[in-house]
Amino acid sequence: DAKTTQPPSMDCAEGRAANLPCNHSTISGNEYVYWYRQIHSQGPQYIIHGLKNNETNEMASLIITEDRKSSTLILPHATLRDTAVYYCIVSTQTGANNLFFGTGTRLTVIP
Amino acid sequence: DAGVTQSPTHLIKTRGQQVTLRCSPKSGHDTVSWYQQALGQGPQFIFQYYEEEERQRGNFPDRFSGHQFPNYSSELNVNALWLGDSALYLCASSRLDRIFNYGYTFGSGTRLTVV
Repeated sequence: DAKTTQPPSMDCAEGRAANLPCNHSTISGNEYVYWYRQIHSQGPQYIIHGLKNNETNEMASLIITEDRKSSTLILPHATLRDTAVYYCIVSTQTGANNLFFGTGTRLTVIP
Repeated sequence: DAGVTQSPTHLIKTRGQQVTLRCSPKSGHDTVSWYQQALGQGPQFIFQYYEEEERQRGNFPDRFSGHQFPNYSSELNVNALWLGDSALYLCASSRLDRIFNYGYTFGSGTRLTVV
């Protein structure tokens, strides 16, 4: 079962930062936070993951609170192509073999 | 470099029939997982194959079975189809020793409609 809570939908203006929150209050010490997104009619796409430190890659930044009970995915300059469903998943490294997706956040980037 | 390839892209079957879906993993990947995604829901894990054996399984009945071939490609078989089996079936591949760093690579899925 999914161990995360995400808002069902969000809007973001094109060119602005999109901040997608995720609550995972029952996360264990050995569980990582993973983010995937799914653009319409495509399979999910890996974005980023982290344990306790903030992470950044070419797609996004991941901010994890000090108590690790919540995190925020940041898309620094949202484009129309970022419109998708974003999934926040918590899993151990070995458990990442079988990811449990919830219903995610539907992000709509508005021109 | 081809990613994950799934076939067919769309399929219509009648209740009670059997279906086989196919997946070719990304080059260099040795592990294949299958997911079922109902309309409006997130993907649900069916099972994972590594070294031609089922390694892990989700909460799906025995009507769902699979196979992995020596070239790492995989098949998902569903017997005695129900209307409720209508969904997008996703294949994801990875390297077992590198899931942590790179995550899964998903295919675009097979849309199965049972009538």
